[in-house]
Amino acid sequence: AQTVTQSQPEMSVQEAETVTLSCTYDTSESDYYLFWYKQPPSRQMILVIRQEAYKQQNATENRFSVNFQKAAKSFSLKISDSQLGDAAMYFCAYRGPYYGGATNKLIFGTGTLLAVQP
Amino acid sequence: EAQVTQNPRYLITVTGKKLTVTCSQNMNHEYMSWYRQDPGLGLRQIYYSMNVEVTDKGDVPEGYKVSRKEKRNFPLILESPSPNQTSLYFCASSSSPGTGSVFTQYFGPGTRLTVL
Repeated sequence: AQTVTQSQPEMSVQEAETVTLSCTYDTSESDYYLFWYKQPPSRQMILVIRQEAYKQQNATENRFSVNFQKAAKSFSLKISDSQLGDAAMYFCAYRGPYYGGATNKLIFGTGTLLAVQP
Repeated sequence: EAQVTQNPRYLITVTGKKLTVTCSQNMNHEYMSWYRQDPGLGLRQIYYSMNVEVTDKGDVPEGYKVSRKEKRNFPLILESPSPNQTSLYFCASSSSPGTGSVFTQYFGPGTRLTVL
């Protein structure tokens, strides 16, 4: 069964600095999708960034970028120029290939709570 | 505005009293799912639906029911709630394969349920 592991329960970063959140996963599939979701105190789940496994290029969205290492099954999130509004719980999630994915299930890690210090 | 809505946002109830949490999306998505979020466990899928009248169990379906009579709505039903169903519940929807945002799941605002 696929699993997603986030080994950093909590992290802290100074405003304007860069922080990297780690995520590893386990799968036997070659085609899949990876996501980072942000959950602020409001509890809303907000999509931060998405990566398709067949794409070699790392995804970027403004200040957010990923380091996708397929062979190592690693999917880290880098936040540049951290802002106070980045403080939240961050979840890494995996979604298998659609041909075997009728469940459309996202498998989540346990989350990393990010604090941003002014 | 494209969105997933859930009601109620907060609910406190007692053991055994049937309740329904509604979920609606306005994006014409085929796929919808329910998740529960518990501390230290992340989110886990309860039930999912691929389209109208097509539903199936996720990882933690015990004690829950769902229905999909209309494409936009996917209610979660707890026939006889118990304290271990106290949790934060999320509804999510996504489009089917072949579209630009395939498999990106959009989440509702969450429903905080407490069962006494």
